[in-house]
Amino acid sequence: GAGVSQSPRYKVTKRGQDVALRCDPISGHVSLYWYRQALGQGPEFLTYFNYEAQQDKSGLPNDRFSAERPEGSISTLTIQRTEQRDSAMYRCASSLEATGTGGMALHFGNGTRLTVT
Amino acid sequence: GNSVTQMEGPVTLSEEAFLTINCTYTATGYPSLFWYVQYPGEGLQLLLKATKADDKGSNKGFEATYRKETTSFHLEKGSVQVSDSAVYFCAARGDNNDMRFGAGTRLTVKP
Repeated sequence: GAGVSQSPRYKVTKRGQDVALRCDPISGHVSLYWYRQALGQGPEFLTYFNYEAQQDKSGLPNDRFSAERPEGSISTLTIQRTEQRDSAMYRCASSLEATGTGGMALHFGNGTRLTVT
Repeated sequence: GNSVTQMEGPVTLSEEAFLTINCTYTATGYPSLFWYVQYPGEGLQLLLKATKADDKGSNKGFEATYRKETTSFHLEKGSVQVSDSAVYFCAARGDNNDMRFGAGTRLTVKP
C-alpha cells in the first residue's frame, strides 16, 4: 500500500497476556519508529530502527516491551505480560532517510489501540 | 536527547482570529523542526517543517520560523477557520535521528 499500515487496528486483551503489534512501513523507507500515545498526550518515543538495526530503545518503558525488524521492513512491537497501564494508542512511523539532518518527515500509520482489561 | 516544550492548551479562538502556538526545543547540533496536526478521529499528518536556522515552513496558511537564537519554532496563522480545529504537535529530529514530540495543543475555533 501507499502508506504505513498497522495491524490490528484494535486489540483488547486480558491482563497478563502477551500481544504483538505489527507495522508495515512505506516501501523503501529506511527508518521505522514506534511511539505510544495516551489520550490527550503527545506521542511518546519508544524505539526506532535504521534498516534492521535497532538504534535506540531508550524509550521502552521496561523489559516487557521489545521490538524487532528482522529484514529491515516489517516491524513487530511485543508487550509481554500486559498490564492495564499499557493501554494506549501505539503508533508506527517511517521515514525515507536514515539521518535527521535532511529534514525528512515521519509518515504515521493509523495506530493500534490497545486495551488491557 | 532532544526534547520539545509547547504551549499547553486548550486554545479557543473565534473564526478569523490570529493564532500563535509556542514551541521551544532542546537538542544537540542542528535539528530539523516540524509541526504535525491531528484532526479529530485521524492520525498525525505533517503540517510544515524547517531544516535550518531562519528557514520558514508554511502550509495551509500556517507558518513557523526556525529561530536558533531562541531555540523556538512558534506556529502562527493570521486568520483561523473552524476547519483548523485540531491538536497541533511540535517535533524536533536531531542529528542522531531521534524524533521527539511535544505534548500537543488542542485548538478549537468557534464560528
